[in-house]
Amino acid sequence: DIVMTQTPLSSPVTLGQPASISCRSSQSLVDSDGNTHLSWLQQRPGQPPRLLIYKISNRLSGVPDRFSGSGAGTDFTLKISRVEAEDVGVYYCMQATHYPYTFGQGTKLEIK
Amino acid sequence: QVQLVESGGGVVQPGRSLRLSCAASGFSFSTYVMHWVRQAPGKGLEWVTVISSDGGTKYYADSVKGRFTISRDNSKNTLYLQVNTLRVEDTAVYYCARAIRDPEEYWGQGTLVTVSS
Repeated sequence: DIVMTQTPLSSPVTLGQPASISCRSSQSLVDSDGNTHLSWLQQRPGQPPRLLIYKISNRLSGVPDRFSGSGAGTDFTLKISRVEAEDVGVYYCMQATHYPYTFGQGTKLEIK
Repeated sequence: QVQLVESGGGVVQPGRSLRLSCAASGFSFSTYVMHWVRQAPGKGLEWVTVISSDGGTKYYADSVKGRFTISRDNSKNTLYLQVNTLRVEDTAVYYCARAIRDPEEYWGQGTLVTVSS
């Protein structure tokens, strides 16, 4: 199974400041069609997860443009340009190229 | 609007079984791949299983292979998860979710399964 490793596991951030989360996979996430199914999900307290970004850098409709994803191969990053109070929660990377799908451990974003 | 409503959770003794259901509405259920993902209390997400739109293809996490069975009834717009030989470590909120890697993803609110003697 592919192991997804996130860093940091906790990220205290000042409102209005940037935040960055890294995710590394234990093997390439490029599929036979050349697609890389690396997603980022947000889970707010008491809520189910929701998809923010798919295929490395594609934001879902309605996701603020302060969220951006980047990376290639086995190294990926989620950036929040200016953290807002509503961004508090746990962020997961997920590889959806190979079954079984696997998630990172989660990064808890909190306000300082 | 799209809705996924899980049911069937509860408190069960180790070794027993449950059947979880996920009632779908507001979209063409029969055209979507469907997943079960679980989350132990205070822990991260664990992908459990997936079923193709026609029910013909299924994959499982190693941790549940041989004990859990995913199925669907497209005539009833319902997804199922038969969970057998339950273990304490199966205690979790079980989410059903649509197409979790795609822009059309959608998650239910989850149903809690507690395995305890």
